[in-house]
Amino acid sequence: SQQGEEDPQALSIQEGENATMNCSYKTSINNLQWYRQNSGRGLVHLILIRSNEREKHSGRLRVTLDTSKKSSSLLITASRAADTASYFCATDAREWASYDKVIFGPGTSLSVIP
Amino acid sequence: NAGVTQTPKFQVLKTGQSMTLQCAQDMNHNSMYWYRQDPGMGLRLIYYSASEGTTDKGEVPNGYNVSRLNKREFSLRLESAAPSQTSVYFCASSEAPDTGWLNEKLFFGSGTQLSVL
Repeated sequence: SQQGEEDPQALSIQEGENATMNCSYKTSINNLQWYRQNSGRGLVHLILIRSNEREKHSGRLRVTLDTSKKSSSLLITASRAADTASYFCATDAREWASYDKVIFGPGTSLSVIP
Repeated sequence: NAGVTQTPKFQVLKTGQSMTLQCAQDMNHNSMYWYRQDPGMGLRLIYYSASEGTTDKGEVPNGYNVSRLNKREFSLRLESAAPSQTSVYFCASSEAPDTGWLNEKLFFGSGTQLSVL
């Protein structure tokens, strides 16, 4: 079962435009994270937002969290060709007493056209 | 500053063969994980080790075994490979539980692409 799902599955934009990806999840969470994966590489952590936070910024990244709607969005401003990658949201799921398992969604594939 | 190192990067096996995927981290992290990534499925947790000397099953452990050899190394073994195990395998590590599970950030290796024929 997937806790989080990203939308859209694929996104293609021109360099300089903003890119917005959304993530919806099913159960209550403690935090939500976004990761980036370049082709053929491992995932790289981008940002973590806690359940009591509504917005967080990191450089050109802006993440929002709406716990009432069980959704998050990742905005990349002024996109660059180097932002071409897959983006994953990950949420915790308290299924074990000693470990908040991190569950990944299927990802959004972003293509930034120069 | 290697981070998380996985070997091999590519492997082709025949059904029934066995192999071990190696993973090592140099960040002095407590926890280590093995995930598999399949198209449209995101990453699914196979096994994890919260600390040296402990291992636990994740979401999809069947057909796999793990060994936490020491704090640095966490290996994944396929005893009798099946075509359903064709996937990209990622090892990851995190500081948790020292920093608390709630702020756990994962650091990933570059992956092993495994094909089972």
